[in-house]
Amino acid sequence: SQTIHQWPATLVQPVGSPLSLECTVEGTSNPNLYWYRQAAGRGLQLLFYSVGIGQISSEVPQNLSASRPQDRQFILSSKKLLLSDSGFYLCAWKSRVRTEAFFGQGTRLTVV
Amino acid sequence: DAKTTQPTSMDCAEGRAANLPCNHSTISGNEYVYWYRQIHSQGPQYIIHGLKNNETNEMASLIITEDRKSSTLILPHATLRDTAVYYCIVISQTSYDKVIFGPGTSLSVIP
Repeated sequence: SQTIHQWPATLVQPVGSPLSLECTVEGTSNPNLYWYRQAAGRGLQLLFYSVGIGQISSEVPQNLSASRPQDRQFILSSKKLLLSDSGFYLCAWKSRVRTEAFFGQGTRLTVV
Repeated sequence: DAKTTQPTSMDCAEGRAANLPCNHSTISGNEYVYWYRQIHSQGPQYIIHGLKNNETNEMASLIITEDRKSSTLILPHATLRDTAVYYCIVISQTSYDKVIFGPGTSLSVIP
């Protein structure tokens, strides 16, 4: 069966520090991968999606970047965090033959 | 993707059926209706999807109108654990779809 791993579960980082969140998927190949952010009390905002290794599409201009160095690995990064980067970050995957997406448990990032 | 509109919030008594409506008047012929829910501080969970026929699984039923411009998610016997934000979205059957969420409906199941 397919599983998605996302870590860490919680993270507190100072303003100006770098960020690296990692997401890996098991049990499938060539998935579509997604990063979402959810600010407190707000909806899910799609940040990046990827349809293959090295292929990244950005949905909104922001202080973050994404990379996909391997087929089932998706990384969200920042060189210098801002207070506004605080939020709940979710990774998701979707296969090419089915359209339902499956989500990780999320990382709650607090920038202080 | 076609846009959807849902009520901001709803209440439902425990044990009763919860009926969550969704309007998707601009849906196109190759777009499916999907429902997800998000329990507080967790990732969204897939519930059910359909194209034009009504669907049922162990979690819920999905009723899609004949013109496909609206649908209703039915939780037949709501429990306190069903308290969550419910998202209705439409997705076309292509490989490169972006899964875009709206604000959803916040369902509160009341004892």
